[in-house]
Amino acid sequence: KNQVEQSPQSLIILEGKNCTLQCNYTVSPFSNLRWYKQDTGRGPVSLTIMTFSENTKSNGRYTATLDADTKQSSLHITASQLSDSASYICVVTPRGYNKLIFGAGTRLAVHP
Amino acid sequence: SQTIHQWPATLVQPVGSPLSLECTVEGTSNPNLYWYRQAAGRGLQLLFYSVGIGQISSEVPQNLSASRPQDRQFILSSKKLLLSDSGFYLCAWSPQGFSGNTIYFGEGSWLTVV
Repeated sequence: KNQVEQSPQSLIILEGKNCTLQCNYTVSPFSNLRWYKQDTGRGPVSLTIMTFSENTKSNGRYTATLDADTKQSSLHITASQLSDSASYICVVTPRGYNKLIFGAGTRLAVHP
Repeated sequence: SQTIHQWPATLVQPVGSPLSLECTVEGTSNPNLYWYRQAAGRGLQLLFYSVGIGQISSEVPQNLSASRPQDRQFILSSKKLLLSDSGFYLCAWSPQGFSGNTIYFGEGSWLTVV
């Protein structure tokens, strides 16, 4: 049973365009939700961390939103750059548990 | 500043051979340490985590094992590799007091079992 589902599985956009990645989760209650960026063959790098009480968190051109009622999060990338090409992973921490539940990720390709 | 080192970066091993992946963290003390595996097109799977020296929690039963001989050293091992052990292995650390803290990942180790 997948507790963190991400969509789309992959996405191609043109440089300069915006895009939004989705994350639906069933983990409840949860402590926090994170978005990571993972370049091919590299370790993931944290973009944002939101607690269950936060609605939005920004990191430069990356803005994450969280709707705890619908159990959805999104990652919005503004004015995409070629270097944004990577996998974006949504991660949820169940409350009271010392571990992370990872989504399978969305592979984003930014084309010139 | 804190850094995490993981090696080797790539490894090609025959079926049935042993495995040892090593991870060290610098610039912090008493970190939580983790080993993850990422199969192609799949999410990260937690294999082991440790909250202190000699304290290992296993998340998935398999032919892998982990050890923490020192505070900032985490080792992933196998006595006999299987084809299904192929994948991308990531070591990670977080400060103690897990919830809400950032998890920092190493650069990963590509393991191909042939």
